[in-house]
Amino acid sequence: DVKVTQSSRYLVKRTGEKVFLECVQDMDHENMFWYRQDPGLGLRLIYFSYDVKMKEKGDIPEGYSVSREKKERFSLILESASTNQTSMYLCASNSLSAAFYGYTFGSGTRLTVV
Amino acid sequence: GENVEQHPSTLSVQEGDSAVIKCTYSDSASNYFPWYKQELGKRPQLIIDIRSNVGEKKDQRIAVTLNKTAKHFSLHITETQPEDSAVYFCAASYGSSNTGKLIFGQGTTLQVKP
Repeated sequence: DVKVTQSSRYLVKRTGEKVFLECVQDMDHENMFWYRQDPGLGLRLIYFSYDVKMKEKGDIPEGYSVSREKKERFSLILESASTNQTSMYLCASNSLSAAFYGYTFGSGTRLTVV
Repeated sequence: GENVEQHPSTLSVQEGDSAVIKCTYSDSASNYFPWYKQELGKRPQLIIDIRSNVGEKKDQRIAVTLNKTAKHFSLHITETQPEDSAVYFCAASYGSSNTGKLIFGQGTTLQVKP
């Protein structure tokens, strides 16, 4: 029944490493999103994509990039991981063609940068 | 920028009591307002949502009210049970272009004491 899948639940990476977080959805949604979740700050949008190869910056894009080569897959890339990127990362998708376009979230990836 | 303010950040109630969580939003173009429940270690799940042309919506023990003039909306949980304990997030659509993006509140940790 899982419709949005994130490739890793837990990751530990070293400072300066290039990190890839993968997200796949099977609902044929055109929109996909990456958020980070930190206590007291809620969910903050990093990037979103509204179509293949299309992307827009969210509120906190610095230090991140994204890739969407196929409709079902949206990747978040940390170019050079830093300790302040230690966080929970949530992928989500939705479709504006639905009457109510609430997100479907993935299970999250808890990333620790040491 | 646009934002959503959510209060309180923590809420503790006795089993059987009611709980109310309030959110205000800044984007007058917002027209869709979902609420998510996130249990410990799990993904956020949509529990109820409302569109701007409706003032109130109920689903069993939960209800959402919307006041577009004041730009605030609230989640009401009646007859609370221990399994209602979780973090609750409100959200509002933003962007007059109707992109499908949501902006989230900071979250409310609800504890229901048996």
